[in-house]
Amino acid sequence: GENVEQHPSTLSVQEGDSAVIKCTYSDSASNYFPWYKQELGKGPQLIIDIRSNVGEKKDQRIAVTLNKTAKHFSLHITETQPEDSAVYFCAASSRDDKIIFGKGTRLHILP
Amino acid sequence: DGGITQSPKYLFRKEGQNVTLSCEQNLNHDAMYWYRQDPGQGLRLIYYSQIVNDFQKGDIAEGYSVSREKKESFPLTVTSAQKNPTAFYLCASSPRTGPYEQYFGPGTRLTVT
Repeated sequence: GENVEQHPSTLSVQEGDSAVIKCTYSDSASNYFPWYKQELGKGPQLIIDIRSNVGEKKDQRIAVTLNKTAKHFSLHITETQPEDSAVYFCAASSRDDKIIFGKGTRLHILP
Repeated sequence: DGGITQSPKYLFRKEGQNVTLSCEQNLNHDAMYWYRQDPGQGLRLIYYSQIVNDFQKGDIAEGYSVSREKKESFPLTVTSAQKNPTAFYLCASSPRTGPYEQYFGPGTRLTVT
């Protein structure tokens, strides 16, 4: 079945700098790649997603890139702010209609 | 105000007792899910339901049971057979299973002593 690996597990960046989180997946049939943000004590919320027919998608300070050949996808956050501190999960759809999540990246924005 | 609710937010139980976690949605979604979250483990699927009166096991179903008698509701019972029940439990829903956004509830933190 699908397997999603996420790196790094923890990331600290200076406020205003960029943050990049990377994921790989195993199933070439995967066609949907969402990213979720989870704040402390809350449920995850979708922040951006990308489907396999595009290579990049942007929404203000957030962008996601997808390399289907290499089975890589990445989340880029520019001009980081204190409210970006959270746990971020990547995920990929599986051929049996589930969503498989990575183990998460804890992002710390340093003042 | 549409959304997905879970109750209670915190739950404490003694070992050997069954406990039921509530999940309700008013988004008119067909699919509902239960995930377990442990530190450093991501989200692991316990059970999911594609439609009323139907549900399937996820990756870690042992020691858990569910029902889906109404479209809006998908309660999870943590039985005494679950070896390590202390965890953060998340319920989610989506229009249908597959490549769609899942909407998560706020979670229930269960502590069993």
